[in-house]
Amino acid sequence: QQQVKQSPQSLIVQKGGISIINCAYENTAFDYFPWYQQFPGKGPALLIAIRPDVSEKKEGRFTISFNKSAKQFSLHIMDSQPGDSATYFCAADTGTASKLTFGTGTRLQVTL
Amino acid sequence: NAGVMQNPRHLVRRRGQEARLRCSPVKGHSHVYWYRQLPEEGLKFMVYLQKENIIDESGMPKERFSAEFPKEGPSILRIQQVVRGDSAAYFCASSPLEGNEQFFGPGTRLTVL
Repeated sequence: QQQVKQSPQSLIVQKGGISIINCAYENTAFDYFPWYQQFPGKGPALLIAIRPDVSEKKEGRFTISFNKSAKQFSLHIMDSQPGDSATYFCAADTGTASKLTFGTGTRLQVTL
Repeated sequence: NAGVMQNPRHLVRRRGQEARLRCSPVKGHSHVYWYRQLPEEGLKFMVYLQKENIIDESGMPKERFSAEFPKEGPSILRIQQVVRGDSAAYFCASSPLEGNEQFFGPGTRLTVL
């Protein structure tokens, strides 16, 4: 049972455009929703995270939007740059220091 | 200020051999997690350990796989009698005593011939 569904599987965006990646979850016990960025051959790196008590969190060009009633959250990358080309994973967790459930990943390519 | 360290970075084993993967968490972190990533897939949780204790091993295959996090030294993920299906990238993450943020290592890429 896949508890976190991520879409799209791949995304091509022009430089300067907005990249949008969506995730939906099933387990209402999830209360922590991080996004990770992974470059080829590297480990995932935490990009930004949100908890259900807020509907939006912004850090630089990266914004998470969270819709608790719909059990959905999304990552928006504003002014996308070629250096943003990577695979992005959403994840969800319950409690403190628990285990992350990952989405299947979105491969983002930002073209010139 | 070193992050999570994993070694070896690449490991090649023949079917039936043992694979031993090591993870040194961020200094001061007492929680360690192991995840497996198959090609073109997301990471799947395997096991969660604290010092000398296995807290959650619900994602670990029942046979051939074991993990430990001793009082001294790195965490070890051990795979006995490896099969081709074990070929994957294995990532270790650590977190501090409180909080959800997990910091990932660079991974060990296991290839089984």
